[in-house]
This record gives sequence, structure tokens and C-alpha cells, in this order.
Amino acid sequence: QVQLRQWGAGLLKPSETLSLTCAVYGGSFSGYYWSWIRQPPGKGLEWIGDVHHSGSTNYNPSLKSRVTISVDTSNNQFSLKLSSVTAADTAVYYCARPRLTATKTCFDYWGQGTLLTVSS
Amino acid sequence: DIQMTQSPSTLSASVGDRVTITCRASQSISSWLAWYQQKPGKAPKLLIYKASSLESGVPSRFSGSGSGTEFTLTISSLQPDDFATYYCQQYNSYSFTFGPGTKVDIK
Repeated sequence: QVQLRQWGAGLLKPSETLSLTCAVYGGSFSGYYWSWIRQPPGKGLEWIGDVHHSGSTNYNPSLKSRVTISVDTSNNQFSLKLSSVTAADTAVYYCARPRLTATKTCFDYWGQGTLLTVSS
Repeated sequence: DIQMTQSPSTLSASVGDRVTITCRASQSISSWLAWYQQKPGKAPKLLIYKASSLESGVPSRFSGSGSGTEFTLTISSLQPDDFATYYCQQYNSYSFTFGPGTKVDIK
């Protein structure tokens, strides 16, 4: 059974950097494009970006200048860094596994979510 | 980016009702559309992929249809466990985008 478990800081001040990590248990790590998705309170879902196990990345253009997604294949983990956070970045952040090893697909396994609150 | 819209934004229904939610894309996405169900405090759950394929373990009362720019999710007979928010997602092109959601609540 595939499980994604994520962790990271939940409260940041404006201008700080968000750092989250997602560990994958069960199933294969190789071949997938691992994603980060966020959801502001009471709002819809926004795809942030993904990373292939080889290290190649794709980012949402609206966040690209502030986002870095990286992979640690030795530990079956991938990470998100979002710099210069503001109140607009307050959201639940999810890691997610795509349903297929194709570059473009939907998501069948999700982490438990991490609430980030940005407040001075 | 491809913009996704959903209608209605809220739907009030009773157990046993047939429910239909519509999702529209700002340009053709072929059949590269997924539907998710989300309950409060939980991650989304994949229901339908490739517009009409039922994800393993999802009850058969859920079905999807459509292609191009217009898609529908149908729940044939609403059950108590189905009261939730439903999102569509296009994966025809980066960056992936989601619809704003349709909340199905109790009438």
C-alpha cells in the first residue's frame, strides 16, 4: 500500500521560506513525477509543481520564481521550498503521487496535508 | 494556463437523488480530465480519470462523461457518504489546473 507522509513548519513570518518534505512508502519511487499541490482555506486546489525521480522539474508559472522542488532518491523523499512567503501563501500543502508514470496525469495518492499559516 | 469552471457551485440534494455536475475547460483537453471528492479536513480522493474511467474501489454510482471542453460527473443515486465537495482537474497540459469545486450538501 502506497503512503505519503509529509512534514514541515506550519507557522512562518512574512518573507521567510517554507520547507516541506514528503516521504513515500510502498510502491515504486522511480519513474514518477511527484507533485506538490496547495489549497487556501475554504478555496480550491492549485498545482505548484512536480519533480521526476531523475531530478527534472516542472513549475506553475505563477509561483516559479519562488519555488524549488527537489528529490532524494536514496530516501524516497521529495521536498518543496517556497521563498518570500506572504499571507497569500497561507494554505494546506499536499504532496501527491500521479496515477501513472507519464508526465501528465492525475493523482491517486496524497499526503495528509500540512497547514501553513503566514503571520507576523 | 487552461481555465476550468464548474457548475453549480453548490448543489442541495437528497439521498437517492441523481446528481450531475458540469466542468468546462477554456480550450480542448481531449479526455484528460479527472474528478475528485474532498471531505472537510481530508485530502482529495480520485474518483474518475480520463473523463470516464472509474478509479479502482470507487462505487459504480459515480460516472463521468465528456470530451473536448465539456464534462459531467454523475452520481446515480446519492448516498449519505457522498455529501462533499467535488473538483475537476485537467491534465492535458502543464500547469495542471483544477475547477473551483462544487459542494453537494443536504437538502
